[in-house]
Amino acid sequence: DGGITQSPKYLFRKEGQNVTLSCEQNLNHDAMYWYRQDPGQGLRLIYYSQIVNDFQKGDIAEGYSVSREKKESFPLTVTSAQKNPTAFYLCASSITPGSRETQYFGPGTRLLVL
Amino acid sequence: AQSVTQPDIHITVSEGASLELRCNYSYGATPYLFWYVQSPGQGLQLLLKYFSGDTLVQGIKGFEAEFKRSQSSFNLRKPSVHWSDAAEYFCAVGAYNNNDMRFGAGTRLTVKP
Repeated sequence: DGGITQSPKYLFRKEGQNVTLSCEQNLNHDAMYWYRQDPGQGLRLIYYSQIVNDFQKGDIAEGYSVSREKKESFPLTVTSAQKNPTAFYLCASSITPGSRETQYFGPGTRLLVL
Repeated sequence: AQSVTQPDIHITVSEGASLELRCNYSYGATPYLFWYVQSPGQGLQLLLKYFSGDTLVQGIKGFEAEFKRSQSSFNLRKPSVHWSDAAEYFCAVGAYNNNDMRFGAGTRLTVKP
């Protein structure tokens, strides 16, 4: 089955710790995205990648970093600089970056701070 | 920059009743409009989308939406709600690239038996 997988489902971060959220897709999509979801705020774009080895900051990139070394993988690292990391993180992909293309979402990772 | 407003945070309807979820957008040109649904603890699934042409768009699960340029609206409708429709619904507006997509804050739908 083609789709997007995210792991882990739940992740706990200690003070001062960096954590990495995994996102893998087997849809052969060029574009991938990371969103943060907070209650009552909808989705906000953290980073996006239009093609392998390229990525751009979204609206709320501070305290986060990404890499796109392989087409199918787009991991997100939440660094210690992100002071309020508790949220639900969603990864998505689309065939191309064009706005007519449907974004397909993974099941999400919930990050909690200990 | 484009933006989208979903005026209703939470709506409760009885099973079998009709449903309308409101969405208003702000964008200078013809927008690309989407409705997504999210079940608790899950990712988002596309219900339908509008780019151009017929202003009444049919989607999956019996949903439809109507684009009204004069009202800057893209309301989602369903004639008869099922208990499985209980979820959170997001309206989104896109511009040139998908990285310009803006999501509304969502409307949570509760279905009474």
